[in-house]
Amino acid sequence: EIVMTQSPATLSVSPGERATLSCRASQSVSSNLAWYQQKPGQAPRLLIYGASTRATGIPARFSGSGSGTEFTLTISSLQSEDFAVYYCQQYNNWPLYTFGQGTKLEIK
Amino acid sequence: QVQLVESGGGLVKPGGSLRLSCAASGFTFSDYYMSWIRQAPGKGLEWVSYISSSGSTIYYADSVKGRFTISRDNAKNSLYLQMNSLRAEDTAVYYCARIYGEGAFDIWGQGTMVTVSS
Repeated sequence: EIVMTQSPATLSVSPGERATLSCRASQSVSSNLAWYQQKPGQAPRLLIYGASTRATGIPARFSGSGSGTEFTLTISSLQSEDFAVYYCQQYNNWPLYTFGQGTKLEIK
Repeated sequence: QVQLVESGGGLVKPGGSLRLSCAASGFTFSDYYMSWIRQAPGKGLEWVSYISSSGSTIYYADSVKGRFTISRDNAKNSLYLQMNSLRAEDTAVYYCARIYGEGAFDIWGQGTMVTVSS
C-alpha cells in the first residue's frame, strides 16, 4: 500500500496570504496525484488532478506541483471560503487508492 | 446537472447488514468507473471499493473484503454497496464518487451515514 503523508496537520494563515500544503508518498506515484477540499458537513471537492491540472471551475489561485514522491498545493491569496480541510490522494496504484490524513487550513 | 445521490444509510447492530444505493444523473453513467469512499466521524477519507464501467472488474479495500459487495445497474443508473457482517469500525459517512480518467474522484454524492452500534 502506498502511504500518503500530509504536512502540517494544521496550518494557520491570514486571509490574503499564501498557503503551502505538502504531501509525500511512500513510493513514487508519478504525477498521479489529486487534491481535494472539504468543508464541514460537505463532500470533498476535486481541486487538482494530475498533480497540477485544475479541475473544472477551480479558481486560478489554487495550484499544484510536484511529481514522484513530493507534492505541493499552493493557494496564492487566501479567501475566507478557502479555510477547510485539504486531502491529497494517489491513483498511481490504481485502483487501490489512498488518501493523506488531511491538512486543516485555519484562519490566523 | 451532474449529480450523485446516496441513500440507504442508518443504524444497524453489529453483525447486521445494510444496502447502500447511489443514483446518478446528468451524465452517461455506463461510461464511468465508480467507487465508494467512507469517512469515519472526525477522521480522514478511506477508499472502500471500485467497479469498472461494465461491472466486470471489482476491487475492495482489505478492511471490507469478504464482507462488502459492490455492484451496479447501468440500466437504472445506479451503484450499490451491500454491507454484511458490519462492525463498529464501519461507522462512517459513505460517499459514492465518479472516477475521472485513471483515478481522480471528480463527482461526489452528499454521503449517507452508517452507524453500527448495539
